[in-house]
Amino acid sequence: DTGVSQNPRHKITKRGQNVTFRCDPISEHNRLYWYRQTLGQGPEFLTYFQNEAQLEKSRLLSDRFSAERPKGSFSTLEIQRTEQGDSAMYLCASSPDRGGTNEKLFFGSGTQLSVL
Amino acid sequence: RKEVEQDPGPFNVPEGATVAFNCTYSNSASQSFFWYRQDCRKEPKLLMSVYSSGNEDGRFTAQLNRASQYISLLIRDSKLSDSATYLCVVTRDSSYKLIFGSGTRLLVRP
Repeated sequence: DTGVSQNPRHKITKRGQNVTFRCDPISEHNRLYWYRQTLGQGPEFLTYFQNEAQLEKSRLLSDRFSAERPKGSFSTLEIQRTEQGDSAMYLCASSPDRGGTNEKLFFGSGTQLSVL
Repeated sequence: RKEVEQDPGPFNVPEGATVAFNCTYSNSASQSFFWYRQDCRKEPKLLMSVYSSGNEDGRFTAQLNRASQYISLLIRDSKLSDSATYLCVVTRDSSYKLIFGSGTRLLVRP
């Protein structure tokens, strides 16, 4: 399977615990995005990377959230001291860098986080 | 006010019907426009890009009105398989960040 891969598919955790999600983009894609989606809403932008550089981060992203893409390949998203409001589907997407903003995003199947 | 606004629906139409969705965006500097489709409990997938001159892909027609800052999607001859949520998406300035609307839900009944 050469699509975007996310692990785990589901994560249940207790409030206050830390969680980490992993995303493996399509291999030749330079851009990698993290989005969050709750029921009845569209995906909400969190952050994106161009290779290993984190170029933009949402103001909605508190300091409990951190994302890395150390070698410009896979990425991790960590949430520290989880809160019930963090419960959502976390989507990763990648796109090739062909210049311009008119590019297709390829999404993974997401990680569904439930904070109890 | 959200940057991208859509009627949440649901639009409930019979097979074979023509249905249209509109989407408005607030930032006049928005550059690129798309429609994504999302099936229940699945990831979003690109349906089509939206070009200034309007564009068509089979039964789907997308149009952009920059002066009024809205985008439309027309689906002709609706199929049961068209049932999904349709997400309106824009990019702003020269950013590569895609901004999604909340989606319009379409239900096509037999």
